[in-house]
Amino acid sequence: DGGITQSPKYLFRKEGQNVTLSCEQNLNHDAMYWYRQDPGQGLRLIYYSQIVNDFQKGDIAEGYSVSREKKESFPLTVTSAQKNPTAFYLCASSIFSGRASTDTQYFGPGTRLTVL
Amino acid sequence: DQQVKQNSPSLSVQEGRISILNCDYTNSMFDYFLWYKKYPAEGPTFLISISSIKDKNEDGRFTVFLNKSAKHLSLHIVPSQPGDSAVYFCAASGNQFYFGTGTSLTVIP
Repeated sequence: DGGITQSPKYLFRKEGQNVTLSCEQNLNHDAMYWYRQDPGQGLRLIYYSQIVNDFQKGDIAEGYSVSREKKESFPLTVTSAQKNPTAFYLCASSIFSGRASTDTQYFGPGTRLTVL
Repeated sequence: DQQVKQNSPSLSVQEGRISILNCDYTNSMFDYFLWYKKYPAEGPTFLISISSIKDKNEDGRFTVFLNKSAKHLSLHIVPSQPGDSAVYFCAASGNQFYFGTGTSLTVIP
């Protein structure tokens, strides 16, 4: 079955610890994205990558880091510098037609991170 | 600053009736719009999209209307079914996607 997987579904960490969220896709999509969802807010873009070994900051990249060593994988690290890390994190992927504004994104199930 | 707004956080509709979900945007450069449906503890799933060159797109029970002059789009679900109960996000695309805050739809059997 083709799709996007995120693991784990729930994650708890102590304040001050870095934590890495996994995102894998087998849709053969070139582009991958990380969003954050907070109560009462829309999804906000953290980072995105349109090709392997390249990624761009979104609106709220501070305190986060990513890597894109493989097409299928786009892990997100929430660092201790992120002031409010507790949130629901969503990974998405899409084809990359060269015009990102019309490439429909498909989402994974999300990871809920709670920092204690 | 929220570029895409869904001003109704929730909506309740009787089964069989029409559900109308609304979305407003501020940037006239947005040229592609989508609706996503999200169940609790799951990621959003793509529902329907519309390009700015159209004013209507239909897919089964779902129709999206776009009014560019008003910077407004709406999603119509007819007839509404209990399985449609979910949170609906609209999204608009410029150089990236911008998402609204979502409207929670409850379809009452």
